[in-house]
Amino acid sequence: EADIYQTPRYLVIGTGKKITLECSQTMGHDKMYWYQQDPGMELHLIHYSYGVNSTEKGDLSSESTVSRIRTEHFPLTLESARPSHTSQYLCAGSSYNSPLHFGNGTRLTVT
Amino acid sequence: AQSVAQPEDQVNVAEGNPLTVKCTYSVSGNPYLFWYVQYPNRGLQFLLKYITGDNLVKGSYGFEAEFNKSQTSFHLKKLSALVSDSALYFCAVRDRENYGQNFVFGPGTRLSVLP
Repeated sequence: EADIYQTPRYLVIGTGKKITLECSQTMGHDKMYWYQQDPGMELHLIHYSYGVNSTEKGDLSSESTVSRIRTEHFPLTLESARPSHTSQYLCAGSSYNSPLHFGNGTRLTVT
Repeated sequence: AQSVAQPEDQVNVAEGNPLTVKCTYSVSGNPYLFWYVQYPNRGLQFLLKYITGDNLVKGSYGFEAEFNKSQTSFHLKKLSALVSDSALYFCAVRDRENYGQNFVFGPGTRLSVLP
């Protein structure tokens, strides 16, 4: 059972649209992460947060932005979606010496 | 710098046979090691972790992993594979004492268990 909740699970959207992928958690994780993963491929860290009002860019450059106004909520926004953004986006959370807990992901298709 | 290698892109085993999925790591301090499994169209599910103590760690679904400090390895094993074990497996590492560091994942190994 996931304690990281991602919505929507699937999203098909046209080029140029603004989208927000939602991620929420119920376990009080202080650190949260966004990974980008093409199907069956490796994970790429695109954003993370140490806590409220903390956001950092990850290893892979991304045109997306994130915010962390509340501990429970870590949304990812794309201001203008492009076909190259088509991928799966995974949100995760962790606390001190706990494993990463992942949501089920959002599969984004930009047409 | 931290790194994780999973030398095999694909592992094929027959149902009922033992399986091993290999992982080697590099970390500056003491390692905090994990295995995750990913089924199609899902997020990663935690299988097991090693922090300290017994080198043989038991996890979910009959999986276990052996920590070998001298070989910097953390291979995933199961005595008898099931078709339902077919999935993508990721090894991950973090410096145990450095909570500020992010987890580093290997590239993944696809396990196919043939009936």
